[in-house]
Amino acid sequence: EIVLTQSPGTLSLSPGERATLSCRASQSLSSSNIAWHQQKPGQAPRLLIYGASSRATGIPDRFSGSGSGTDFTLTISRLEPEDSAVYYCQQYGSSRTFGQGTKVEIK
Amino acid sequence: EVQLVQSGPEVKKPGESLTISCTASGFSFTKYWIGWVRQMPGKGLEWMGFIFPDDSDTRYSPSFQGQVTFSADKAISTAYLQWSSLTASDTAMYYCSRVLTGTSRGLIDYWGQGTLVIVSS
Repeated sequence: EIVLTQSPGTLSLSPGERATLSCRASQSLSSSNIAWHQQKPGQAPRLLIYGASSRATGIPDRFSGSGSGTDFTLTISRLEPEDSAVYYCQQYGSSRTFGQGTKVEIK
Repeated sequence: EVQLVQSGPEVKKPGESLTISCTASGFSFTKYWIGWVRQMPGKGLEWMGFIFPDDSDTRYSPSFQGQVTFSADKAISTAYLQWSSLTASDTAMYYCSRVLTGTSRGLIDYWGQGTLVIVSS
């Protein structure tokens, strides 16, 4: 099973700052089959990024994804208060697994 | 508009059986997998497995094999998650999801709103 390790566990930043979230896979992911999902408190998750770097429909361009192989990054270029959430990476190349999540807090 | 609408919250006793549902609309139900994801209180997301409603082909994550059963009724575009004997450790939020086939195979692109299951004596 491919294990995904996310860091940091919690990120506390001010509005307008840049957030950088990391996801490391235990094995190389061919075709960059990595997605990022956002889960706000009390809500279901929603897809943000797929294929490591493609934004899902309706996702603002301040969200971007990058990476390949075993190392992937989600960047939120200018944080807004509504970006307060837990962000999960998910691989879909070999079965499906999720990282443990990174909580983003807005000061 | 793609929608996955799940059944309401459940409170059950240990040993009881339970079936929760996920009704799809806005897309062809038989052309996608329907996946299930568990989220225990205060914890992260866990992949349980999926079903292909067209032929009811099911794949379970090893952690959930033998613990739950997936089924689907394509006539009413509804997928089900079933337990035969609940335990307290089944207390969690359960999400259904649409899982792509073809290009981006295996990607979860839509989520249901979740069904809260509480198991308590």
